[in-house]
Amino acid sequence: SYELTQPPSVTVSPGQTASITCSGNNLGNKHVFWYQQRPGQSPVLVMYQDKKRPSGIPERFSGSNSGNTATLTISGTQTVDEAEYYCQAWDRSAYAFGTGTKVTVL
Amino acid sequence: EVQLVESGGGLAQPGGSLRLSCAASGFSFSKYNMNWVRQAPGRGLEWVSSISSGSSHIYYADSVKGRFAVSRDNANNSLFLQMNSLRAEDTAIYYCARELDTPMVTHDGFDIWGQGTLVTVSS
Repeated sequence: SYELTQPPSVTVSPGQTASITCSGNNLGNKHVFWYQQRPGQSPVLVMYQDKKRPSGIPERFSGSNSGNTATLTISGTQTVDEAEYYCQAWDRSAYAFGTGTKVTVL
Repeated sequence: EVQLVESGGGLAQPGGSLRLSCAASGFSFSKYNMNWVRQAPGRGLEWVSSISSGSSHIYYADSVKGRFAVSRDNANNSLFLQMNSLRAEDTAIYYCARELDTPMVTHDGFDIWGQGTLVTVSS
């Protein structure tokens, strides 16, 4: 099965930029999706097709995907952005989720 | 309001069965591919199964293949997951999720999620 690897945690100060990476073999040739999950809540789609924001997602969220790495960037990070983030991609008849990254804002 | 509501979770014995349901409302259910995703306590997200809008394409994670069966009833805006031969490692919150309906894109992100239903497999 396809594996997507994320760093377990990222810490960022309020107002600074957080970058969350997602690594997978030839990931740049696939569409990557990103989800935010706050404790006790269902996941929320924050990025699709590498760099498209669903309606209602703030402009401070952006995405990129090239080579073996996709990146979700949060510019001007706010305390409300503190959550777990997961990447996702489709490969050979199955979706794969990344291992998840806990973003801490302090 | 666009909404997905799961039901059918509960306690099951190892080797037992459960049938989960997901009721959709507020959108044209029959137009969308649908998915099941689970999350074990304190763990990450795991995709379980996908079914296309007309049920012609169905996919499963290796971990549930041969034990779980996904189906849908477009007339009644419902998605189902029949879970057989349950194991302790199937214990998780099970979410149903709607896939984006994007022209020229076969497999896209999940834009609508239910609140989840908890399945516990234990003797």
